[in-house]
Amino acid sequence: RKEVEQDPGPFNVPEGATVAFNCTYSNSASQSFFWYRQDCRKEPKLLMSVYSSGNEDGRFTAQLNRASQYISLLIRDSKLSDSATYLCVVNGIGRGGGSNYKLTFGKGTLLTVNP
Amino acid sequence: DTEVTQTPKHLVMGMTNKKSLKCEQHMGHRAMYWYKQKAKKPPELMFVYSYEKLSINESVPSRFSPECPNSSLLNLHLHALQPEDSALYLCASSQFGSGSTGELFFGEGSRLTVL
Repeated sequence: RKEVEQDPGPFNVPEGATVAFNCTYSNSASQSFFWYRQDCRKEPKLLMSVYSSGNEDGRFTAQLNRASQYISLLIRDSKLSDSATYLCVVNGIGRGGGSNYKLTFGKGTLLTVNP
Repeated sequence: DTEVTQTPKHLVMGMTNKKSLKCEQHMGHRAMYWYKQKAKKPPELMFVYSYEKLSINESVPSRFSPECPNSSLLNLHLHALQPEDSALYLCASSQFGSGSTGELFFGEGSRLTVL
């Protein structure tokens, strides 16, 4: 099982649509979870952290299910500006084990919001 | 505007050249990272420096040599690279060491082409 696995996409949705992305992770010891957004030929930027109780930031809702090792991101009322690649990011163990945690990125899901 | 500055933005080098990528942050962050990103792929971790010490080396070939002169600077020395090393090299920082905080602040990247 890959460390972090995401919906392959791409997703093409009309403006105003609701879209959901899913992500699974393999390391049950992982403690930190994030969604990053990356625009074409730009650097990744943090969209939101994912907390155990679920969290919401405007049109974006993130949820975590530790038992199933599953993370989701819901975008409501999609805007053209939401078009980007969404990366699921999970912390894990670097080579050498111990406390050398590293952040691992999923392959990303490309979202295109159409007018 | 990103608070992590990378230079150069673009670099073209031959396989026998020696060059360096530079990264600087003035946010007082104690961890700095090098990631490599190929087109349509997620960022892949190369190195992590935590409190100016190399914390993680993801089995990167020795033709890539990281250096952390102080807590604000991170270099990546390049020597005898191969064409397949052509990629976007992203520097990132986080507030605490070893990814314990999670949020990474990325620079805009250095786009490297090896001829």
